[in-house]
Amino acid sequence: EPEVTQTPSHQVTQMGQEVILRCVPISNHLYFYWYRQILGQKVEFLVSFYNNEISEKSEIFDDQFSVERPDGSNFTLKIRSTKLEDSAMYFCASSEGGSVETQYFGPGTRLLVL
Amino acid sequence: AQKITQTQPGMFVQEKEAVTLDCTYDTSDQSYGLFWYKQPSSGEMIFLIYQGSYDEQNATEGRYSLNFQKARKSANLVISASQLGDSAMYFCAMREWNTGNQFYFGTGTSLTVIP
Repeated sequence: EPEVTQTPSHQVTQMGQEVILRCVPISNHLYFYWYRQILGQKVEFLVSFYNNEISEKSEIFDDQFSVERPDGSNFTLKIRSTKLEDSAMYFCASSEGGSVETQYFGPGTRLLVL
Repeated sequence: AQKITQTQPGMFVQEKEAVTLDCTYDTSDQSYGLFWYKQPSSGEMIFLIYQGSYDEQNATEGRYSLNFQKARKSANLVISASQLGDSAMYFCAMREWNTGNQFYFGTGTSLTVIP
């Protein structure tokens, strides 16, 4: 069964460093998303991406964040200058359509900023 | 106001018993979808079940069923015949037709199945 994959599974970085989190969505899906989950808290929406552009973003997704689909399979989240409070689990998700279609989540990348 | 409310931070259930996890939602849209995800201790988010706002029948997927009460804006998850592997966090989520593609998640319920 097709699934969303994410790399790396864990990332440790120093405050102020740039990190890139990678995702491979399900191949026939057209909508892509990033969410984050701070330890012990609920999952929060960051951004959605469709047709090679951001379709929606939350207030969390400020100028230090960016997303890209550099080729036909990868979908990346870049954090330009990490802060301690960026430590969280980051989930990539994809869906076949927008609206109320089910989103399928990847296994997550656990980011720790020291 | 919270879009999704899960009032049970933790629940215990005896193995082989049924358990209901509560979820209420808030939306003014007529068209929306309700979802339940399971998050085991390993961290991944596993899709369990979906209910569309126009679906007249309650959704069922194996041992999972969704008790959808539209007038009360509730979408409770029922797990029948609990198994030890059901121990996990469970998140209720909603997407609205008219207000974008994001999921709104609740704070989750931690379910522990007791042998």
